Amino acid sequence: DAGVIQSPRHEVTEMGQEVTLRCKPISGHNSLFWYRQTMMRGLELLIYFNNNVPIDDSGMPEDRFSAKMPNASFSTLKIQPSEPRDSAVYFCASSSRETEAFFGQGTRLTVV
Amino acid sequence: AQSVTQLGSHVSVSEGALVLLRCNYSSSVPPYLFWYVQYPNQGLQLLLKYTTGATLVKGINGFEAEFKKSETSFHLTKPSAHMSDAAEYFCAVSPSGGYQKVTFGTGTKLQVIP
Repeated sequence: DAGVIQSPRHEVTEMGQEVTLRCKPISGHNSLFWYRQTMMRGLELLIYFNNNVPIDDSGMPEDRFSAKMPNASFSTLKIQPSEPRDSAVYFCASSSRETEAFFGQGTRLTVV
Repeated sequence: AQSVTQLGSHVSVSEGALVLLRCNYSSSVPPYLFWYVQYPNQGLQLLLKYTTGATLVKGINGFEAEFKKSETSFHLTKPSAHMSDAAEYFCAVSPSGGYQKVTFGTGTKLQVIP
């Protein structure tokens, strides 16, 4: 298996633009997590899905953030409109009931 | 509810010296405990995990950790530091019985001095 695949690896966008981050979890994993990592706040859980259903989105910072998981092999995290303070590395991770979380390489987002 | 506290955001050791990274957890149910490592510009990689059974768990790259329920600790150790161990280390906890909501500590950056 290729592991958790995130795209793009780097994204630079202007303030106010819509940004969409993508994640393909490991096949057979039924839980998917989105994390944000910054120097100031460390690693924060934004939202996690179980069997494609959002279970806990209490970490989503604002209504500008939304996440979807239309099927077991794909998830998106969207920011609309983006702001400079959204600049961070966003990680996707997946797990199953029998295995721990495996992380993708992350997407480094810069909002200018 | 669960939480993790990592003592020391930065730790420096000399090459060949003992590595000790501290982690204390809080959990209302029996926990699963993890240590992850993050190298620059990469995602997090699992070093080791405790679920049930033996309280001393061995991981990759010579690291090990001991689950001490009485102390609510899960400290990470390695007898002899190598330059390649320089990275950021995260302790994490989740409720036992699955790998659902994992809560991470704030991380400890390990510097290895030649």
